[in-house]
Amino acid sequence: EVQLVQSGAEVKKPGESLKISCKGSGYSFTSYWIGWVRQMPGKGLEWMGIIYPGDSDTRYSPSFQGQVTISADKSISTAYLQWSSLKASDTAMYYCARQPTGGFDYWGQGTLVTVSS
Amino acid sequence: DIQMTQSPSSLSASVGDRVTITCQASQDISNYLNWYQQKPGKAPKLLIYDASNLETGVPSRFSGSGSGTDFTFTISSLQPEDIATYYCQQYDNLMYTFGQGTKLEIK
Repeated sequence: EVQLVQSGAEVKKPGESLKISCKGSGYSFTSYWIGWVRQMPGKGLEWMGIIYPGDSDTRYSPSFQGQVTISADKSISTAYLQWSSLKASDTAMYYCARQPTGGFDYWGQGTLVTVSS
Repeated sequence: DIQMTQSPSSLSASVGDRVTITCQASQDISNYLNWYQQKPGKAPKLLIYDASNLETGVPSRFSGSGSGTDFTFTISSLQPEDIATYYCQQYDNLMYTFGQGTKLEIK
């Protein structure tokens, strides 16, 4: 069974760093792109970027380029999304999702990130 | 960037109604268009990929059509469990954009 399991909710202060994770199982982790999607409270879906764990090829949405870093450790089938300095506006639910061709077919359960002083 | 214009932003319909949502791309995206359903507190679910292909396990009352810049998503007979927000998503050379979403409610 294909599963993407994300790390738990985080509460951080502005200026702090954070790395959240997405662990894949039940399929060949290195053979599928993994994307990250942001959903701010009460708002729509925003595509942030995507990584191919097989060779770490990474693409970013222009809106998120330079704001976050996407990485992956294929040895433990895990993708990451990280911030070096969080802002209150980073408060959101973050989803990872697998992309075979076209659509994102399997999604993680989401990680809620709250940034507040 | 390719922009997606989805309409309407909200929709109220009765059980059994035919429901249609449209999505327009700012440039030709061929058939690189997907549709998702998101229920409150849940992750999105892929319903339709490549404009018109039904994802495995998705009921046949859901369908999609279109190519180029204009796309349509249809629920042929609305069921109570279809209450959700629906999003279109385009992809072009590993860059993706979501539409603004359509919140579907029961009348």
